[in-house]
Amino acid sequence: SQQGEEDPQALSIQEGENATMNCSYKTSINNLQWYRQNSGRGLVHLILIRSNEREKHSGRLRVTLDTSKKSSSLLITASRAADTASYFCATLPASGGSYIPTFGRGTSLIVHP
Amino acid sequence: KAGVTQTPRYLIKTRGQQVTLSCSPISGHRSVSWYQQTPGQGLQFLFEYFSETQRNKGNFPGRFSGRQFSNSRSEMNVSTLELGDSALYLCASSFTGGADQPQHFGDGTRLSIL
Repeated sequence: SQQGEEDPQALSIQEGENATMNCSYKTSINNLQWYRQNSGRGLVHLILIRSNEREKHSGRLRVTLDTSKKSSSLLITASRAADTASYFCATLPASGGSYIPTFGRGTSLIVHP
Repeated sequence: KAGVTQTPRYLIKTRGQQVTLSCSPISGHRSVSWYQQTPGQGLQFLFEYFSETQRNKGNFPGRFSGRQFSNSRSEMNVSTLELGDSALYLCASSFTGGADQPQHFGDGTRLSIL
């Protein structure tokens, strides 16, 4: 079953615009990760944010985490056509002892040149 | 450093057959996980192997099995294939599968069942 659910399911923007996608989850987490998947390829890890962190940056990526609302957002600034991909959040539960992340269904991002 | 390698990239089988997929993790990585990705169900966890032992298992029937060798390479086997097994099968590796270790994915094996 999916723990994290991304929103929106699909996003279409012009090059240069910012893209924001959200992830909501149900149970307490140890950390939350964002991955990118280009068509026909495997997932690529983008960023990991721990439950005691509120914001992280990596290049043009900014991730926020609000544990009180059980939600996270991924912001891609000044998007490029090469950012066209599906983006997934993956949550690691805080309890249970499992280190297996649960993936959401993803947001499909299209950046028009 | 070479990434995660999955073979074959594409496979076509018929119902009732069996199939074996292979995954070579990044050198030094000892944890290997397998996922099934379909448009309807998204990314679903199959199992994880560490040091040749299955450490975690998802909710898949016994037709899905796997193993890991001493060099950390892993294979996944699906027996008595069904149409619903058509999917992209992804393998991911990490050093030890710890909480803060990101997973490194291969490009997958696209399995089509006729």
